[in-house]
Amino acid sequence: AQRVTQPEKLLSVFKGAPVELKCNYSYSGSPELFWYVQYSRQRLQLLLRHISRESIKGFTADLNKGETSFHLKKPFAQEEDSAMYYCALRDSGSARQLTFGSGTQLTVLP
Amino acid sequence: NAGVTQTPKFRILKIGQSMTLQCTQDMNHNYMYWYRQDPGMGLKLIYYSVGAGITDKGEVPNGYNVSRSTTEDFPLRLELAAPSQTSVYFCASTTAAEKLFFGSGTQLSVL
Repeated sequence: AQRVTQPEKLLSVFKGAPVELKCNYSYSGSPELFWYVQYSRQRLQLLLRHISRESIKGFTADLNKGETSFHLKKPFAQEEDSAMYYCALRDSGSARQLTFGSGTQLTVLP
Repeated sequence: NAGVTQTPKFRILKIGQSMTLQCTQDMNHNYMYWYRQDPGMGLKLIYYSVGAGITDKGEVPNGYNVSRSTTEDFPLRLELAAPSQTSVYFCASTTAAEKLFFGSGTQLSVL
C-alpha cells in the first residue's frame, strides 16, 4: 500500500531563513507527487507537482527516487508562507486517488 | 467560476442524527472524492467516484454513504452520527490528468 510520511507536525523558522519541509513516500510503482498548501481560511490548493519541475512562490521540490523523498524547499522564507503543507502521492490506477501525508504546519516568525 | 461548492459550512449534530453533506462541481469532472481532515492526521479518503453511477470506498468509509446520480453532484450521507465523525470534510474533483480542486469544507461537530 502507498504511504506518505511527513515527520514534522510543526515547523517554525524566522523570516529570511531557509526552510525545508520533509516528505517521504512508499509506493511500488512510479510515483506522481504533489505539494498542496492550505493558507488560513482558504481552500486547499496545489502548490507544485514533481512532473512540472517548476518553482512556485519560491518553493521547489525534487523527487529523489533513491531516498524515496520529495522535500519542499525555499531559500528565504516569508511570513506569508505560514500555512499547512501537505505532501501527496497520486495512484496510477483508474481511480487517480491522492494519498496525503499528515501535514506540516509552517510558521514563519518576523 | 463556482468550482467545487460544499454546503453547509458548519453543522452541529446530536449523536444518532443523520445528515447529508452536499457537494457539486461545475467543471464537468469525472473524478470526485470525499476526504475528512483530522488534526495531526492529514486527509483521509472516505469515498470516491470515477463517474456518474460509480462509487467506491476509500480508507475510512464506515458510517458514511455516497451516491453519484449525476456528474455534478456527489453527496455524502452520515447515518447515526457518532462523536468520532467530528471532523472537517472536504469534497474534491478532478479530471484524470489535472490537479485536485477542493471545496471550502464543512466543519461538523457531533455532540
